[in-house]
This record gives sequence, C-alpha cells and structure tokens, in this order.
Amino acid sequence: GQQLNQSPQSMFIQEGEDVSMNCTSSSIFNTWLWYKQDPGEGPVLLIALYKAGELTSNGRLTAQFGITRKDSFLNISASIPSDVGIYFCAGQETSGSRLTFGEGTQLTVNP
Amino acid sequence: NAGVMQNPRHLVRRRGQEARLRCSPMKGHSHVYWYRQLPEEGLKFMVYLQKENIIDESGMPKERFSAEFPKEGPSILRIQQVVRGDSAAYFCASSPFGQGSSPLHFGNGTRLTVT
Repeated sequence: GQQLNQSPQSMFIQEGEDVSMNCTSSSIFNTWLWYKQDPGEGPVLLIALYKAGELTSNGRLTAQFGITRKDSFLNISASIPSDVGIYFCAGQETSGSRLTFGEGTQLTVNP
Repeated sequence: NAGVMQNPRHLVRRRGQEARLRCSPMKGHSHVYWYRQLPEEGLKFMVYLQKENIIDESGMPKERFSAEFPKEGPSILRIQQVVRGDSAAYFCASSPFGQGSSPLHFGNGTRLTVT
C-alpha cells in the first residue's frame, strides 16, 4: 500500500520560533492536505493543495505541493502555545479514492 | 451548519460484544468515510460509502466489521465480537463530493475500549 513518511516525529520549540515539517511518499499524489489534531478531537483541515508547485498560506501557516508530486512541507511562523498538537499530512492518489495519512508530527511549544 | 457528528464519544465493550458507531455527515454531504486511529499513529482508511452504497471497503477487515449508510439516518460502523485489538479511535469524515475532489471534514471520533 501507499506509504507517507512524515518528519520529524516530534518537535520541541520555544514560542516565537518557526517550524517546518514535511512528508514524502513512495508514489504520486494529486492532492496534499495538512491537518491538525488536538487531544481527544478529530483532525481539523489546515491547508489543501491541488497543484504541483502550489504554495498556499493560511495565516501563519504555509504549505507547498512538491513539484515531483511526491512531497509536501508545512511551515508555521512565529509559533504560539496554541499551535501545540499533532500535525498530519495526507495525500490522495491520482486514481484512488482514499486518503493516506502520515504518522504525524507532535509539536510542543514552550512559552 | 453543524459539523460531522459522531456518537457515542466513548464506548466500552467487553470482548465478544458488538460495537455500533454512528456518524451523521455534515448537511448536504452524501459521501462518508471511516478511519481508524491507534494511539500515536496516523489515521488508516477503512471504508468509503455513499448513500446506500459501499464504494471502497478495501481498508476494512473482512471479518466482524461492516458498514452501512442508509437512505435515511446516520452511517453505522458495526464491529461484531470485539477483541482487545479493536480498541482505537474511529473517525468519520464527510464530503459533498467524492474524496478525490474535495477535502474531508472529520468528526471528533468514537473512542472504543475493549476490556
């Protein structure tokens, strides 16, 4: 099956720092999505990317769809304590019907 | 506009019992997806349904698990004769169109504990 490698697994940063995380896949996706999950809650969509090379921002978040269609990154600028949570990338294959999720990046922000 | 509603939020079952998990999609959404999440892992696809049809059940175990999305009412994920390995968070997501054309919106999940 499809595999997404998400890194890093965890990050511990100081408030105000910038954060970067990425995902790579073994195959091509035609859609990349980034979700955030808080404890006890469902994933919440942050950014959706539909075109290779696309760079999209949502407030302090910026994500890019890699040109090869096999990778994506998410940047968070000027982190704040409420950014704490688990961030998941998800990809959708060109011809498939499912989303494949990465294993998540646990972000901890120290005030 | 209410989001995806799942109930119950928490469900405890003894080994061998049945678990029924319910999902009401967002208003106007006719596509429903079920995912399972084990602790400290990502979400794993189980099944994709439209009203009265199973479109893709390739991620669902062949035995003991079934899903339906009737014409009226919520989607149901049913697990018969539960075992401890079924303990996980089960998330439902919906979209107005097929999964390939619109991002999914998730509910807050049902946390199943099998004792």
